[in-house]
Amino acid sequence: EAGVTQSPTHLIKTRGQQATLRCSPISGHTSVYWYQQALGLGLQFLLWYDEGEERNRGNFPPRFSGRQFPNYSSELNVNALELEDSALYLCASSSIRGTEAFFGQGTRLTVV
Amino acid sequence: SQQGEEDPQALSIQEGENATMNCSYKTSINNLQWYRQNSGRGLVHLILIRSNEREKHSGRLRVTLDTSKKSSSLLITASRAADTASYFCATYYGGSQGNLIFGKGTKLSVKP
Repeated sequence: EAGVTQSPTHLIKTRGQQATLRCSPISGHTSVYWYQQALGLGLQFLLWYDEGEERNRGNFPPRFSGRQFPNYSSELNVNALELEDSALYLCASSSIRGTEAFFGQGTRLTVV
Repeated sequence: SQQGEEDPQALSIQEGENATMNCSYKTSINNLQWYRQNSGRGLVHLILIRSNEREKHSGRLRVTLDTSKKSSSLLITASRAADTASYFCATYYGGSQGNLIFGKGTKLSVKP
Protein backbone atom coordinates (compact mmCIF):
# COMPACT_ATOMS: atom_id res chain seq x y z
CA GLU A 1 0.00 0.00 0.00
CA ALA A 2 1.45 3.35 -1.03
CA GLY A 3 1.98 5.89 1.72
CA VAL A 4 1.25 9.58 1.65
CA THR A 5 3.05 11.17 -1.27
CA GLN A 6 3.97 14.81 -1.63
CA SER A 7 5.27 16.69 -4.61
CA PRO A 8 7.53 18.31 -5.38
CA THR A 9 10.25 17.27 -2.93
CA HIS A 10 11.98 20.61 -3.24
CA LEU A 11 10.72 23.93 -4.53
CA ILE A 12 12.61 27.17 -4.96
CA LYS A 13 10.62 30.34 -5.53
CA THR A 14 11.27 34.04 -5.62
CA ARG A 15 9.69 36.40 -3.12
CA GLY A 16 6.26 37.51 -4.37
CA GLN A 17 5.65 34.41 -6.46
CA GLN A 18 3.07 31.70 -5.80
CA ALA A 19 3.82 28.12 -4.73
CA THR A 20 1.61 25.07 -5.18
CA LEU A 21 2.27 21.96 -3.15
CA ARG A 22 0.47 18.66 -3.68
CA CYS A 23 -0.44 15.76 -1.45
CA SER A 24 -1.90 12.35 -2.23
CA PRO A 25 -3.27 10.60 0.85
CA ILE A 26 -3.18 6.90 1.53
CA SER A 27 -5.89 5.15 -0.45
CA GLY A 28 -9.14 5.23 1.50
CA HIS A 29 -8.10 8.15 3.70
CA THR A 30 -10.45 11.11 3.55
CA SER A 31 -8.82 13.54 5.99
CA VAL A 32 -5.77 15.56 4.98
CA TYR A 33 -3.75 17.83 7.26
CA TRP A 34 -1.14 20.40 6.27
CA TYR A 35 1.65 21.64 8.52
CA GLN A 36 4.48 24.12 8.28
CA GLN A 37 7.77 23.35 9.99
CA ALA A 38 10.31 26.14 9.92
CA LEU A 39 13.93 25.13 10.46
CA GLY A 40 14.52 23.79 13.95
CA LEU A 41 10.94 24.41 15.04
CA GLY A 42 7.87 22.31 15.73
CA LEU A 43 4.91 21.65 13.48
CA GLN A 44 2.50 24.51 13.02
CA PHE A 45 -0.99 23.44 11.97
CA LEU A 46 -2.06 25.03 8.69
CA LEU A 47 -5.20 23.39 7.29
CA TRP A 48 -7.44 20.39 7.76
CA TYR A 49 -9.61 18.97 4.98
CA ASP A 50 -12.12 16.20 5.37
CA GLU A 51 -14.54 14.84 2.80
CA GLY A 52 -13.72 17.69 0.44
CA GLU A 53 -14.40 20.45 2.94
CA GLU A 54 -12.05 22.75 4.82
CA ARG A 55 -12.76 21.90 8.47
CA ASN A 56 -10.27 24.13 10.23
CA ARG A 57 -7.29 26.37 9.62
CA GLY A 58 -4.45 27.48 11.80
CA ASN A 59 -3.26 30.97 12.56
CA PHE A 60 -1.91 31.76 9.11
CA PRO A 61 -2.74 34.66 6.77
CA PRO A 62 -5.27 34.17 3.95
CA ARG A 63 -2.50 33.90 1.37
CA PHE A 64 -2.17 30.32 2.61
CA SER A 65 -5.05 28.42 1.06
CA GLY A 66 -5.83 25.04 -0.33
CA ARG A 67 -8.42 22.60 -1.44
CA GLN A 68 -9.27 18.94 -1.43
CA PHE A 69 -10.29 17.21 -4.61
CA PRO A 70 -13.01 14.53 -5.06
CA ASN A 71 -10.31 11.82 -4.96
CA TYR A 72 -9.22 13.29 -1.56
CA SER A 73 -5.86 14.52 -2.82
CA SER A 74 -5.07 18.02 -1.71
CA GLU A 75 -3.27 21.12 -2.82
CA LEU A 76 -1.72 23.87 -0.72
CA ASN A 77 -1.25 27.27 -2.32
CA VAL A 78 0.89 30.01 -0.91
CA ASN A 79 0.52 33.38 -2.61
CA ALA A 80 2.77 36.42 -2.44
CA LEU A 81 5.63 34.38 -1.02
CA GLU A 82 7.73 35.91 1.72
CA LEU A 83 11.19 34.87 2.86
CA GLU A 84 9.70 33.62 6.16
CA ASP A 85 7.61 31.08 4.24
CA SER A 86 10.76 29.03 3.70
CA ALA A 87 10.05 25.80 5.56
CA LEU A 88 9.29 22.11 5.31
CA TYR A 89 5.61 21.63 4.47
CA LEU A 90 4.20 18.35 5.66
CA CYS A 91 1.00 16.63 4.72
CA ALA A 92 -0.70 13.85 6.69
CA SER A 93 -3.77 11.73 6.10
CA SER A 94 -6.09 9.65 8.26
CA SER A 95 -8.88 7.26 7.40
CA ILE A 96 -11.39 8.41 9.96
CA ARG A 97 -11.40 11.61 11.92
CA GLY A 98 -9.49 11.15 15.12
CA THR A 99 -7.43 8.09 14.22
CA GLU A 100 -3.81 7.44 13.28
CA ALA A 101 -2.43 10.05 10.90
CA PHE A 102 0.41 9.19 8.53
CA PHE A 103 2.82 11.67 7.01
CA GLY A 104 4.47 12.19 3.69
CA GLN A 105 8.15 13.13 3.35
CA GLY A 106 7.36 16.78 2.92
CA THR A 107 8.08 19.55 0.45
CA ARG A 108 11.04 21.78 1.22
CA LEU A 109 10.07 25.28 0.07
CA THR A 110 12.83 27.84 -0.23
CA VAL A 111 11.95 31.46 -0.93
CA VAL A 112 14.81 33.61 -2.21
CA SER B 1 -1.59 27.46 20.82
CA GLN B 2 0.05 24.08 21.28
CA GLN B 3 -2.13 21.30 22.59
CA GLY B 4 0.78 19.14 23.70
CA GLU B 5 4.06 20.09 25.30
CA GLU B 6 6.99 17.70 25.48
CA ASP B 7 9.56 17.61 28.21
CA PRO B 8 12.53 17.73 28.13
CA GLN B 9 13.22 19.80 25.03
CA ALA B 10 16.50 17.95 24.52
CA LEU B 11 17.91 14.70 25.88
CA SER B 12 21.37 13.22 25.39
CA ILE B 13 22.12 9.65 26.47
CA GLN B 14 24.56 6.83 25.78
CA GLU B 15 23.68 3.85 23.62
CA GLY B 16 22.07 1.14 25.70
CA GLU B 17 20.47 3.54 28.17
CA ASN B 18 16.74 4.15 28.41
CA ALA B 19 15.19 7.42 27.24
CA THR B 20 12.01 8.85 28.73
CA MET B 21 10.09 11.72 27.19
CA ASN B 22 6.99 13.31 28.64
CA CYS B 23 4.04 15.05 27.07
CA SER B 24 1.34 17.17 28.68
CA TYR B 25 -1.85 18.29 27.00
CA LYS B 26 -4.62 20.71 27.81
CA THR B 27 -8.04 19.36 26.91
CA SER B 28 -9.75 15.98 27.14
CA ILE B 29 -8.74 13.56 24.41
CA ASN B 30 -9.86 10.34 22.75
CA ASN B 31 -6.33 9.27 21.96
CA LEU B 32 -2.74 10.46 21.87
CA GLN B 33 -0.11 9.67 19.27
CA TRP B 34 3.68 9.66 19.30
CA TYR B 35 5.81 10.35 16.25
CA ARG B 36 9.50 10.33 15.38
CA GLN B 37 11.16 12.71 12.94
CA ASN B 38 14.64 12.22 11.63
CA SER B 39 16.37 15.42 10.67
CA GLY B 40 14.47 17.28 7.96
CA ARG B 41 12.28 14.33 7.04
CA GLY B 42 8.64 13.39 7.37
CA LEU B 43 7.17 12.08 10.60
CA VAL B 44 6.98 8.38 11.34
CA HIS B 45 3.97 7.21 13.33
CA LEU B 46 5.14 5.24 16.38
CA ILE B 47 2.11 4.46 18.48
CA LEU B 48 -1.44 5.53 19.31
CA ILE B 49 -2.81 5.11 22.80
CA ARG B 50 -6.54 5.48 23.48
CA SER B 51 -7.95 7.36 26.44
CA ASN B 52 -9.18 4.11 28.03
CA GLU B 53 -5.70 2.58 27.87
CA ARG B 54 -3.06 3.17 30.51
CA GLU B 55 -0.07 1.53 28.86
CA LYS B 56 0.89 0.27 25.43
CA HIS B 57 3.99 -1.48 24.11
CA SER B 58 5.53 -1.72 20.66
CA GLY B 59 8.94 -3.36 20.45
CA ARG B 60 11.32 -1.25 22.54
CA LEU B 61 8.70 1.47 22.98
CA ARG B 62 6.47 1.79 26.01
CA VAL B 63 3.84 4.51 26.20
CA THR B 64 1.80 5.39 29.25
CA LEU B 65 -1.20 7.68 29.52
CA ASP B 66 -2.55 9.36 32.63
CA THR B 67 -5.76 11.16 31.71
CA SER B 68 -6.21 12.51 35.24
CA LYS B 69 -2.92 14.38 34.91
CA LYS B 70 -3.36 15.00 31.18
CA SER B 71 0.07 13.55 30.51
CA SER B 72 1.78 10.77 28.60
CA SER B 73 5.28 9.38 28.53
CA LEU B 74 7.30 7.57 25.89
CA LEU B 75 10.03 5.21 27.07
CA ILE B 76 12.60 3.87 24.63
CA THR B 77 14.52 1.00 26.16
CA ALA B 78 18.07 -0.05 25.23
CA SER B 79 18.48 2.96 22.96
CA ARG B 80 20.53 2.84 19.79
CA ALA B 81 22.30 5.52 17.81
CA ALA B 82 19.58 5.10 15.17
CA ASP B 83 17.01 6.33 17.71
CA THR B 84 18.55 9.80 17.43
CA ALA B 85 15.64 11.96 16.26
CA SER B 86 12.99 14.38 17.45
CA TYR B 87 9.94 12.89 19.12
CA PHE B 88 6.53 14.54 19.14
CA CYS B 89 3.24 13.83 20.81
CA ALA B 90 0.00 14.82 19.10
CA THR B 91 -3.65 14.98 20.03
CA TYR B 92 -6.83 15.94 18.26
CA TYR B 93 -8.15 19.28 19.36
CA GLY B 94 -11.62 20.68 18.90
CA GLY B 95 -15.05 19.37 17.93
CA SER B 96 -15.74 16.44 15.58
CA GLN B 97 -12.32 15.02 16.49
CA GLY B 98 -10.79 18.29 15.37
CA ASN B 99 -7.41 18.89 13.90
CA LEU B 100 -4.22 17.14 14.96
CA ILE B 101 -2.04 19.38 17.06
CA PHE B 102 1.60 18.69 17.92
CA GLY B 103 3.83 19.61 20.80
CA LYS B 104 7.22 21.21 20.25
CA GLY B 105 9.05 17.91 20.49
CA THR B 106 11.96 16.37 22.36
CA LYS B 107 15.27 16.17 20.54
CA LEU B 108 16.93 12.88 21.49
CA SER B 109 20.60 12.30 20.87
CA VAL B 110 21.96 8.80 21.45
CA LYS B 111 25.75 8.65 21.52
CA PRO B 112 27.47 5.44 20.44
